[in-house]
Order: sequence, then structure tokens, then C-alpha cells
Amino acid sequence: DQQVKQNSPSLSVQEGRISILNCDYTNSMFDYFLWYKKYPAEGPTFLISISSIKDKNEDGRFTVFLNKSAKHLSLHIVPSQPGDSAVYFCAARDTGANSKLTFGKGITLSVRP
Amino acid sequence: ETGVTQSPTHLIKTRGQQVTLRCSSQSGHNTVSWYQQALGQGPQFIFQYYREEENGRGNFPPRFSGLQFPNYSSELNVNALELDDSALYLCASSLTGRTSARNEQFFGPGTRLTVL
Repeated sequence: DQQVKQNSPSLSVQEGRISILNCDYTNSMFDYFLWYKKYPAEGPTFLISISSIKDKNEDGRFTVFLNKSAKHLSLHIVPSQPGDSAVYFCAARDTGANSKLTFGKGITLSVRP
Repeated sequence: ETGVTQSPTHLIKTRGQQVTLRCSSQSGHNTVSWYQQALGQGPQFIFQYYREEENGRGNFPPRFSGLQFPNYSSELNVNALELDDSALYLCASSLTGRTSARNEQFFGPGTRLTVL
């Protein structure tokens, strides 16, 4: 049973446009959400996070929105750049002391020049 | 500051064999988590080590075991390898402390294990 779902396996956008990556979760105990970016042959790299007490967090071109009632979060990248082409993982952590992350399957973003 | 390193990069084993994967945590970090990433899937939590003891475990059988050493480096051991164990094994380090509740995890590049 997948507790973190990224239902779209891929997304292609034009350079300069907005990329919107979606993520849904089912576990109400999740209180912290993260996005990781992964290039081939590298480990996931932390991108941005959001606590469940907030509904938005912004860092440069990256903004994460959280809708707790819908158990949905999204990552907005604007403007998108070719270097953003990678696999993006949504991850969540519950309120327990253990910092175990539960990941979605990932979405492959391709930014066309 | 040294990042998370893992060895070896690639490994090929046959069914029934045993394997040991190694991870050196980022400088200043005291917690190591191991994840398995099968093809087309997201990373799945195997277990975590803090202060040389297991601090949480995912849905993996006992033939997956680990160690953490006083310098916070870690090993993942898998006995009686099965074909389905073929995956990318990721190590992540973090700092667990009273004030670092969010303890972000930093990942290594992974070890690609192929079981034939």
C-alpha cells in the first residue's frame, strides 16, 4: 500500500515555463514533507521541504504548496531550466522520533530548450 | 566538509551469496539510514542506525542486517541473496539531536547490486 503517490510518471515542459509536480499521501501521521531531485548515477539531493503547519514554502525558483485537507502537495518550478531535468521524489516523514522517509515513485521532468 | 560516500559503486553477486555494502556518513552526522531503490520505484526504508544501535526498521526480512561503528560509518549486510535484491542501495546520513528535530538526510551516490 503506497502511502506517498506520484501518479504521473513523467512531465515535459518548455524552458522558461512553469513545472508543476504533484504528490498525494494517505497517512495522516505525516507532518513533514520533502522534495528530492535525482540525477542518474547520483544519490537524491534535498531540494525543499515544508512542515504540516505551513501551506507554502518558497526557495528561489522552487515553491512547495501543501493542502492538508486534501492530503496533497505540489512543487512549482518557475522558470524551468534545462538543468532541472531529473527525477523528482516526494517524501514524507511521520511524527515519530525516527526520521524514516517514505518516498513516492518519482516523476521524470524533462525541460525542453 | 566531506559528503556521504558509499562503496563499492557496483557489485555483481549470485543467488545465495552474501554481500556487505559500506557507507561513510557526512562529517558531523551521527545517524545513518539505508534505503533500497528497485528499478522504477522510489527508495524504500530498510533501517536506521543511531549511536551504533538500530533505531527503526522497515518491512525487510532479518537477512538484511546492519552495523554502525563509533566513527558513525555503517555497513549493510544481506545474506542468502535473492534475485529481487537487485537494486540501488542508498545510504543517507543525518544529525539527530535535541534541537535538530527535522534532521535532513543527505544521500550518498548508492551501490548498484545485481544478483544473478
